[in-house]
Amino acid sequence: QSALTQPPSASGSPGQSVTISCTGTSSDVGGYKYVSWYQQHPGKAPKLMIYEVSERPSGVPDRFSGSKSGNTASLTVSGLQAEDEADYYCSSYAGSNNYVFGTGTKVTVL
Amino acid sequence: EVQLVETGGGLIQPGGSLRLSCAASGFTVSGNYMSWVRQAPGKGLEWVSVIYSGGSTYYADSVKGRFTISRDNSKNTLYLQMNSLRVEDTAVYYCARDGSTSVYDCYFDLWGRGTLVTVSS
Repeated sequence: QSALTQPPSASGSPGQSVTISCTGTSSDVGGYKYVSWYQQHPGKAPKLMIYEVSERPSGVPDRFSGSKSGNTASLTVSGLQAEDEADYYCSSYAGSNNYVFGTGTKVTVL
Repeated sequence: EVQLVETGGGLIQPGGSLRLSCAASGFTVSGNYMSWVRQAPGKGLEWVSVIYSGGSTYYADSVKGRFTISRDNSKNTLYLQMNSLRVEDTAVYYCARDGSTSVYDCYFDLWGRGTLVTVSS
């Protein structure tokens, strides 16, 4: 099972927005309804930021939003803040009781 | 407090075996889908294995036949038995709870802090 494709890096100034794409195939992202997104700071465990494409867990700021179209899902961080600087990963069901993560995107706040 | 705590990592020679444990508190392991996810140094996340609440188990192709996921309901603990270890199995291993109740809708809403497994001679 191949990892979902994400851009290696993305950046923005404080207050700006950044959008991260997550591209798969009809066997994963495009074939199933749900995608999730995770934030990971250096040396820390991942944290769930978005589930079921666009739902936010309790405590996650509404600056984080998600969407999906066809084989590509997207995470948008609006009103960038210094603490948003981290690695972000998408994830999807990949069929046959397997799951797959994205390659990861490092977000830098300029 | 709802949490997961992994133990059992360490340095092991290629071909060796290791068993990781993940102790849960604040919820029942048996009532949830539970997975192991690993992260090689400087690399991305890789899903490794899942055990569903009904007991069915599944594995990534990279570990199939070598790793075994299991749970002890009386201890509320998840395990990963790793045999025939390879250098490329070197990673931080996280246990994670799936917050959904559907196979197709997997999202990991609770993670442990991870335990480092280093496979080297």
